[in-house]
Amino acid sequence: DVVLTQTPPTLSATIGQSVSISCRSSQSLLHSNGNTYLNWLLQRPGQPPQLLIYLVSRLESGVPNRFSGSGSGTDFTLKISGVEAEDLGVYYCVQSTHAPWTFGGGTKLELK
Amino acid sequence: QIQLVQSGPELKKPGESVKISCKASGYTFTDYAMHWVKQAPGKGLKWMGWINTYTGKPTYADDFKGRFVFSLEASASTANLQISNLKNEDTATYFCARVAAIPFDYWGQGVMVTVSS
Repeated sequence: DVVLTQTPPTLSATIGQSVSISCRSSQSLLHSNGNTYLNWLLQRPGQPPQLLIYLVSRLESGVPNRFSGSGSGTDFTLKISGVEAEDLGVYYCVQSTHAPWTFGGGTKLELK
Repeated sequence: QIQLVQSGPELKKPGESVKISCKASGYTFTDYAMHWVKQAPGKGLKWMGWINTYTGKPTYADDFKGRFVFSLEASASTANLQISNLKNEDTATYFCARVAAIPFDYWGQGVMVTVSS
């Protein structure tokens, strides 16, 4: 199975600060069809996860453009350019290139 | 609007069975696969597998083969998850989420299943 390693496990930020979360895969997430199926989710406390980014860098409809995704192969990054209070929660990367689909362990974003 | 509405919380004893439902509305049910995700208390997300809502064919992750069954009531736009012979480690919140070209764009609210003697 593909193992996704997220760092850091916890991130403390002030409002307005820019932060990045890393997601490293144990194998390439480039599919034979040329797509890379790496996605990012945010789970706020007591809520189901919500999709932020899919296909590495495509912003889901309605998601603020302070969120951006980048990367290729085995190394991926989610960046938040100017954290807002509503961004607090746990961020997960999830790959859907290889079966079984797998999630990273999560990165908790807290207020400093 | 698009919604996935799941059934209510469950309290069960070890060895019992539970059936969780996920009712979809606001879109064509058979156009999207339905995936299931487990979240143990205070833990991360774990992919359980998915069901093809057009053919009814389920696919299970290895850890969810045997006691777990995905099924459909297609006429009611509903996907179900049944867990038999419940164990303490099945205590978790179970989410359904739809997937097509864009994965996980809509989620159910989650169902908390508590297994306790």
